Amino acid sequence: DIQMTQSPSSVSASVGDRVTITCRASQGISSWLAWYQQKPGKAPKLLIYAASSLQSGVPSRFSGSGSGTDFTLTISSLQPEDFATYYCQQANSFLALTFGGGTKVEIK
Amino acid sequence: EVQLVESGGGLVQPGGSLRLSCAASGFTFSDHYMDWVRQAPGKGLEWVGRTRNKANSYTTEYAASVKGRFTISRDDSKNSLYLQMNSLKTEDTAVYYCAREPSYSGLAVRMDVWGQGTTVTVSS
Repeated sequence: DIQMTQSPSSVSASVGDRVTITCRASQGISSWLAWYQQKPGKAPKLLIYAASSLQSGVPSRFSGSGSGTDFTLTISSLQPEDFATYYCQQANSFLALTFGGGTKVEIK
Repeated sequence: EVQLVESGGGLVQPGGSLRLSCAASGFTFSDHYMDWVRQAPGKGLEWVGRTRNKANSYTTEYAASVKGRFTISRDDSKNSLYLQMNSLKTEDTAVYYCAREPSYSGLAVRMDVWGQGTTVTVSS
């Protein structure tokens, strides 16, 4: 299976900060990567797919980039509702999807 | 409103079985691939498996951790997805989510609609 490694595992930031989260694949996955946001006690929410395509209804302060093995999720100006855990998910091997370990964005 | 609602979770002893259900509404269920994803307490997300649609012969795939023990099925006439879990282990304790893949997503596999989850606890 393709392994997905996220860094950092947690980040403390303030409202208005720019936040960048990294996801690295154990082998090349082209652009087949998605990002999700999860708040405590809630289901995940799709933010980005195909590495850089914004899901309908998601604010434009969220953006994704990367291809091959290295990907980033950027929140350009952190808002109070963005404090959550973020997960990447590879889709290159559609026989077995895998998620990264998650990055918790906390209030500084 | 597009919605997925899971049910069937509960407490089960190690070695036991449980069947989860997911009721879909607000969209053409039969068009979509459907997935199960789980989350152990305090842990990250783990993909469990998926079923394709009728056009793709309802084929299924599973994570290595559940292959041979779990079975995913669907009943398009009832807009329902199922997860039959046998030979349950304590490490199967988790919240189980059903999720929809967009139709015609090709290789850009992702899950755009999620249920609220149902809790499975495996303990003696």
